[in-house]
Amino acid sequence: IAGITQAPTSQILAAGRRMTLRCTQDMRHNAMYWYRQDLGLGLRLIHYSNTAGTTGKGEVPDGYSVSRANTDDFPLTLASAVPSQTSVYFCASSESGGRGKLFFGSGTQLSVL
Amino acid sequence: GQNIDQPTEMTATEGAIVQINCTYQTSGFNGLFWYQQHAGEAPTFLSYNVLDGLEEKGRFSSFLSRSKGYSYLLLKELQMKDSASYLCAGIDSNYQLIWGAGTKLIIKP
Repeated sequence: IAGITQAPTSQILAAGRRMTLRCTQDMRHNAMYWYRQDLGLGLRLIHYSNTAGTTGKGEVPDGYSVSRANTDDFPLTLASAVPSQTSVYFCASSESGGRGKLFFGSGTQLSVL
Repeated sequence: GQNIDQPTEMTATEGAIVQINCTYQTSGFNGLFWYQQHAGEAPTFLSYNVLDGLEEKGRFSSFLSRSKGYSYLLLKELQMKDSASYLCAGIDSNYQLIWGAGTKLIIKP
């Protein structure tokens, strides 16, 4: 059982480039989330999806977009990366939205130069 | 505004007991989570409290007081592998998670 798979594990990206972080889950969870984690700031929600076909903005959505074409996949796209988007990105899923515990992917370390 | 406060760092000795506190201010309240995160890894679920009182799970216990907006995580018989960050997260009235910045726990032999 894989749970949640994120790719790539790490990436160095030139500023201005487009980048998609991939996230796939095999638990058939309805809710999925993208967080970024920066030292001293804790986890900040970027975008979320309560069910396939719907998405919503979190606390720090600017510069990011998501799609949820099916239950399993929830990619995060940086249209034109900037250095302030250097962070560790975690994808997570939950069986029952905000009421349920989160299962996290292993994370993507992204550096924008 | 909504806020979760927890100490930045704590140090404890192997075999001892440590209590990590968390105070929260949220718009409404629908429960509180504790997660453990080892360095370089993803957070993993430890506990969920929605009613007042103590929930015990082996060496780890979590306590909630809704009237005081307060929770703590109690770790007993500390082991070196308990060195990690511990994240407190409250659930607001819209079922959104409000995260604390985490408490880094250092265990010394």
